Amino acid sequence: DVKVTQSSRYLVKRTGEKVFLECVQDMDHENMFWYRQDPGLGLRLIYFSYDVKMKEKGDIPEGYSVSREKKERFSLILESASTNQTSMYLCASSKAGATYEQYFGPGTRLTVT
Amino acid sequence: GEDVEQSLFLSVREGDSSVINCTYTDSSSTYLYWYKQEPGAGLQLLTYIFSNMDMKQDQRLTVLLNKKDKHLSLRIADTQTGDSAIYFCAESIRGGGADGLTFGKGTHLIIQP
Repeated sequence: DVKVTQSSRYLVKRTGEKVFLECVQDMDHENMFWYRQDPGLGLRLIYFSYDVKMKEKGDIPEGYSVSREKKERFSLILESASTNQTSMYLCASSKAGATYEQYFGPGTRLTVT
Repeated sequence: GEDVEQSLFLSVREGDSSVINCTYTDSSSTYLYWYKQEPGAGLQLLTYIFSNMDMKQDQRLTVLLNKKDKHLSLRIADTQTGDSAIYFCAESIRGGGADGLTFGKGTHLIIQP
């Protein structure tokens, strides 16, 4: 079974703090993704990575950065957290090439106060 | 640009069939997906269909694709209380998943006894 884990289920941070969200997958997947999920807006892609040290902007990258130093780990970084970044953050991974299924982690609910 | 639309709520009686509809705008969509999200959980891939197919059946699930009208539907036969969840329609242009998925806002399926 593919497993995608996220470092925290719930996180509370203050405005201006630097926040790290970690995601790890154990199936040697090449592609990894970060989405945020907001009520009434569905899921929106923040960043994705198709290889170690490679990253591409998604639909809403502003205020975020990412890091992929190892194939199994993809980090989302909020350099200076703001209240409008309060959201559910979902990580996903998929195999490159023929496989088109994305496997999602359980999500991290981040509250910025 | 890409846009995926689906209604926000659907209410059905236990034992009836549920039909969740989705429309998309990008005619170059190659793969179309249905994901299920139960309360407090991440997204689970239910099923997918290639754009050159009209129908796909998997146990209680039937996916119908009308490529001309850019309309996708998910039918759940004999709806049960365990089917209560949010259902997301999603599309991608490249099936490798390297560019992420474009999601609809999700349909809340409510089961009435």
